[in-house]
Amino acid sequence: LAKTTQPISMDSYEGQEVNITCSHNNIATNDYITWYQQFPSQGPRFIIQGYKTKVKNEVASLFIPADRKSSTLSLPRVSLSDTAVYYCLVGLAGDDKIIFGKGTRLHILP
Amino acid sequence: DSGVTQTPKHLITATGQRVTLRCSPRSGDLSVYWYQQSLDQGLQFLIQYYNGEERAKGNILERFSAQQFPDLHSELNLSSLELGDSALYFCASSVGFGFQGNTEAFFGQGTRLTVV
Repeated sequence: LAKTTQPISMDSYEGQEVNITCSHNNIATNDYITWYQQFPSQGPRFIIQGYKTKVKNEVASLFIPADRKSSTLSLPRVSLSDTAVYYCLVGLAGDDKIIFGKGTRLHILP
Repeated sequence: DSGVTQTPKHLITATGQRVTLRCSPRSGDLSVYWYQQSLDQGLQFLIQYYNGEERAKGNILERFSAQQFPDLHSELNLSSLELGDSALYFCASSVGFGFQGNTEAFFGQGTRLTVV
């Protein structure tokens, strides 16, 4: 499994766009990049998944450069309720494990 | 609501005891994953089952065991409990296993285990 590196914590303000970058230098050809969100005392929730270029859904965007050695989760116009831990995962299609790292603790301020 | 049901929600027990945590996956999901999350710690992968068979093992202690039944629900058994086993235990399910393309894992609300 490719190792991921994310900032431990980030602060931002309501209404701002937040970008969380994840480094995965040894990503393999068949690896997908997936982001999860976890609120305190709740199970993680899938946000978005991508393989290359840009993916967008109603919640977030995921930007993946051509070399795929990093990815950026973009949360538009955050609110206080976006305060959570965000996990970047990189895994091989067909791999059985879903392994979480330490994640990024995002704190949104009023 | 993720569709994954975990029972009980809370459990308080004494050291040395044995407990069983139960997980019902989303309808149609064949994979079940178990995770442990201690206070301020990340999610530790314990074990994964696919359609009744063990598929992958993480850092699961020998005192812990799990199984997935023919109706696809799963149980995590924790024995000879120690204070350090106090944690949130999450179950997740997915249609396939691992990162098969658009595989998305759905998590339950967890069982909070307190060992006193």
